Amino acid sequence: DQQVKQNSPSLSVQEGRISILNCDYTNSMFDYFLWYKKYPAEGPTFLISISSIKDKNEDGRFTVFLNKSAKHLSLHIVPSQPGDSAVYFCAASSGGLTGGGNKLTFGTGTQLKVEL
Amino acid sequence: GAVVSQHPSRVICKSGTSVKIECRSLDFQATTMFWYRQFPKKSLMLMATSNEGSKATYEQGVEKDKFLINHASLTLSTLTVTSAHPEDSSFYICSASPTADRGGGYTFGSGTRLTVV
Repeated sequence: DQQVKQNSPSLSVQEGRISILNCDYTNSMFDYFLWYKKYPAEGPTFLISISSIKDKNEDGRFTVFLNKSAKHLSLHIVPSQPGDSAVYFCAASSGGLTGGGNKLTFGTGTQLKVEL
Repeated sequence: GAVVSQHPSRVICKSGTSVKIECRSLDFQATTMFWYRQFPKKSLMLMATSNEGSKATYEQGVEKDKFLINHASLTLSTLTVTSAHPEDSSFYICSASPTADRGGGYTFGSGTRLTVV
């Protein structure tokens, strides 16, 4: 049962353009969402997160949008750079324990390729 | 920033042997650490939640006797793959969070590529 889904396994974008990565979830108990970037043979690197009480969070070139009614979130990268080429995972967690004890459920990932 | 160190980065072992993977939080204390497994071109699958001073919590379908987890201190969790078989070959990653705010995200180790021959 894949509770977090990234339906696009790959995405190719030209340098300077906007990259939009999408993520859908099914578990309505999720209340926190995160995006990670991952290179081969490395651990994921945290990019940006959003709480379910918000619908947008922005950090530099990265913006995450959350549509709770549609159970959908997206990551926008603008402008896209060749160094952004990596696999992007969305992840979700639910409330309960505070602190660092909340486990994450990951999507299947989207391979982004930013071309010159 | 928070750093999680994972060792070894790569290990090859023979079938039937055991392999221990270490996960250390270098500049913060972590009462909870997480162990993930990633198959090629697949998502990161949570295997277990490692709790300092108590038993780990395993996800459904993960054999606790196969994947032994020990979280003996606030900065170290270990995953031991016992009696390894070729199907255990995978990329194993640990993570931890130094903050009380979930918005800080989790820091991941660099992963361990296990190959069982």
